[in-house]
Amino acid sequence: DAGITQSPRHKVTETGTPVTLRCHQTENHRYMYWYRQDPGHGLRLIHYSYGVKDTDKGEVSDGYSVSRSKTEDFLLTLESATSSQTSVYFCSSGGQVPSYEQYFGPGTRLTVT
Amino acid sequence: TQLLEQSPQFLSIQEGENLTVYCNSSSVFSSLQWYRQEPGEGPVLLVTVVTGGEVKKLKRLTFQFGDARKDSSLHITAAQPGDTGLYLCAGGGGAQKLVFGQGTRLTINP
Repeated sequence: DAGITQSPRHKVTETGTPVTLRCHQTENHRYMYWYRQDPGHGLRLIHYSYGVKDTDKGEVSDGYSVSRSKTEDFLLTLESATSSQTSVYFCSSGGQVPSYEQYFGPGTRLTVT
Repeated sequence: TQLLEQSPQFLSIQEGENLTVYCNSSSVFSSLQWYRQEPGEGPVLLVTVVTGGEVKKLKRLTFQFGDARKDSSLHITAAQPGDTGLYLCAGGGGAQKLVFGQGTRLTINP
């Protein structure tokens, strides 16, 4: 298993507050990803990174930004949290061709009140 | 846009029965993965198939990739309560990204 950790594991915050979620991997994977998981929607890609300081948008990127200053760390920021961003957030790494396999962290449950 | 449709979305069966979960698309994928996710945890990779027609077995689980690389199936023989969980299929698309199906929530009753 890839060593991927996420912090915090749970967070409750108020609408309008900035929030940063952290992802750390120890496998030296080039690619890292942030997803959100909601009932009825499965896993949806928010942003991904293909190297240090190289990031791109996924299908649900509005309201989110990311940064990757080191290979092992990938941060997801909600600039001004809204109730629609209440979700479970997963980070993953991997993505190498030809298999595209990804290895997931344990998730962060975020509640915006 | 590439889409993966999983069926059924929910399945509840008795211990010892057999079951099959399907993952279908109109798009061709370079690879297909199956993940299992338990409550409060992240998805865990079960298997990857990359060749059309490929069959892989993992104990009582059999995974098949369609000849045209547009579909896949997961067959479980003699299901056990420990097989309970959310099963996700994911296809390797462009730009090192995965396309995920909606998932199949499987419950095995003792």
